[in-house]
Amino acid sequence: GAVVSQHPSWVICKSGTSVKIECRSLDFQATTMFWYRQFPKQSLMLMATSNEGSKATYEQGVEKDKFLINHASLTLSTLTVTSAHPEDSSFYICSARYRKETQYFGPGTRLLVL
Amino acid sequence: AQSVTQPDIHITVSEGASLELRCNYSYGATPYLFWYVQSPGQGLQLLLKYFSGDTLVQGIKGFEAEFKRSQSSFNLRKPSVHWSDAAEYFCAVGASGYALNFGKGTSLLVTP
Repeated sequence: GAVVSQHPSWVICKSGTSVKIECRSLDFQATTMFWYRQFPKQSLMLMATSNEGSKATYEQGVEKDKFLINHASLTLSTLTVTSAHPEDSSFYICSARYRKETQYFGPGTRLLVL
Repeated sequence: AQSVTQPDIHITVSEGASLELRCNYSYGATPYLFWYVQSPGQGLQLLLKYFSGDTLVQGIKGFEAEFKRSQSSFNLRKPSVHWSDAAEYFCAVGASGYALNFGKGTSLLVTP
């Protein structure tokens, strides 16, 4: 149980385009999901907290108009990187909160912006 | 504010040897504590967690961790390491209603 999926696992796009990443909790409902960004050889950096039915809460320094988050259902949150640029290239990981504060993570999405 | 410190950036152990990965935290109350493992290019897998109760917690893959309030530590241990344990290990602290705060990670290398 407590499986989280992400789609796509890999995406390559041209600079200026938008990319949508999906995060799904497959066997449980998650009122709260989180989006992280991870640079090579570094720890996870929290970008935003996604709450079902309400606006996401962004961490300081994360542009909400750049990284659009939608949590339309109890099993799906999406992160859209708008007008992507090479500096947005990174590994994006989502997690979903299950029961008592335990977070289960998706397998991650590697984004490369050319 | 919460913080998590993993003092060791890299650790190398021989296969079959014991392992201890250190984690220290700073928090005003008893936090929720977690250890996650990440293989290259993969997401994070939960190894074990501590919320309350018995301070020695057992996890998957033969790992265990001990919560020591007096030392603000939550060290991860394994009695005999396998080559497949080579990965990045993250300690994390959380609190009710908040996201996890991760340490910088410890990279484990297992030699034959």
